[in-house]
Amino acid sequence: DAKTTQPPSMDCAEGRAANLPCNHSTISGNEYVYWYRQIHSQGPQYIIHGLKNNETNEMASLIITEDRKSSTLILPHATLRDTAVYYCIVRATDSWGKLQFGAGTQVVVTP
Amino acid sequence: EAGVTQSPTHLIKTSGHQATLRCSPISGHTSVYWYQQALGLGLQFLLWYDEGEERNRGNFPPRFSGRQFPNYSSELNVNALELEDSALYLCASSLVGTAGYSNQPQHFGDGTRLSIL
Repeated sequence: DAKTTQPPSMDCAEGRAANLPCNHSTISGNEYVYWYRQIHSQGPQYIIHGLKNNETNEMASLIITEDRKSSTLILPHATLRDTAVYYCIVRATDSWGKLQFGAGTQVVVTP
Repeated sequence: EAGVTQSPTHLIKTSGHQATLRCSPISGHTSVYWYQQALGLGLQFLLWYDEGEERNRGNFPPRFSGRQFPNYSSELNVNALELEDSALYLCASSLVGTAGYSNQPQHFGDGTRLSIL
């Protein structure tokens, strides 16, 4: 699976949009981009995933560049409960079950 | 809809002994995955079970084993416990397509924290 690069930390003001970048320059055609987050002492929470089109759900939006080498997770109105480590994962459909987690981005939402 | 449930929440064992961790997947999910999250090492893939069969395992010694039951629940067994096995053990479940090929997201429980004395 392709490796991803994320900034180690980000701050965001409560009520503002949080834009989390992820680089995956070696992504191949059958690899999806997944986003998870992990709040302290809890299991990772699935947020969203996509292949090449932009995706939106009740939690967030995922913007994937046309060349698929990078993506951005957008939390439209950050709240204090969005403080967490956010993981960007690239995974092929034939990965045989394995999700490869990196270090992620520690996002702190401040009042 | 109930999420993935794991038991126990905390488990304290003595080195050399054995630990059993349990996981109930989301209703309708046939695949169960196990991960280890040790302090400072991040989440590491351990095992994948689907339809009662072990489909893949990560880079862990054979003393880490498990099984999946006909109701798709699963248990993880760790034998000959070592101090380095102290970690949060996470279970996830998903729908799955043809064996090995799937883009279905995995949904995680909140884990069992295993402490080895």
